[in-house]
Amino acid sequence: ETGVTQSPTHLIKTRGQQVTLRCSSQSGHNTVSWYQQALGQGPQFIFQYYREEENGRGNFPPRFSGLQFPNYSSELNVNALELDDSALYLCASSQRGAYEQYFGPGTRLTVT
Amino acid sequence: RKEVEQDPGPFNVPEGATVAFNCTYSNSASQSFFWYRQDCRKEPKLLMSVYSSGNEDGRFTAQLNRASQYISLLIRDSKLSDSATYLCVVNPLMYSGGGADGLTFGKGTHLIIQP
Repeated sequence: ETGVTQSPTHLIKTRGQQVTLRCSSQSGHNTVSWYQQALGQGPQFIFQYYREEENGRGNFPPRFSGLQFPNYSSELNVNALELDDSALYLCASSQRGAYEQYFGPGTRLTVT
Repeated sequence: RKEVEQDPGPFNVPEGATVAFNCTYSNSASQSFFWYRQDCRKEPKLLMSVYSSGNEDGRFTAQLNRASQYISLLIRDSKLSDSATYLCVVNPLMYSGGGADGLTFGKGTHLIIQP
């Protein structure tokens, strides 16, 4: 049990809609990273939050945005959903400078 | 060239056999390296880190060749429970937090252990 939780587990949205995914980091962890994993692919880094600020970003458009709250939980928001956004969205928490990054169970998003 | 390349498999291996797979990475500045295991429709879990000197954890041995930018994983006496996808991961930083650039994953190698 890693302690990282994500909600919802599954979600179905229509193209053009907006979605918010949530992540609660493991106790004591102050850094949250989000990844997108399409079917048959490895996870792709979306962005990372540290101390409530975006600390780094992968090759994703601005319609992917996020927040980190004072309790270190985080949200991923995706606007104007496209069919290709269908994927497993993984949240990972870590303590900055520490060794291991712990992944949550993910949210499976389907865009129709 | 992709940042991290792996043979997707599947590798079909009889129980008890030894299996090895590897990956190559393109960023010579990468600082730390890992193998993650991912079961079907589950999250990735850290299997082991990879060091230049080679490291072993029970039946698993990992090796890094920085000169060739090559990482390997060897599984001895394979078990049915080893069936999973194995993800090769590189990190621009020394610690696993990923830093501003995040972790870079390969597509994974699918391993099927057959009874």
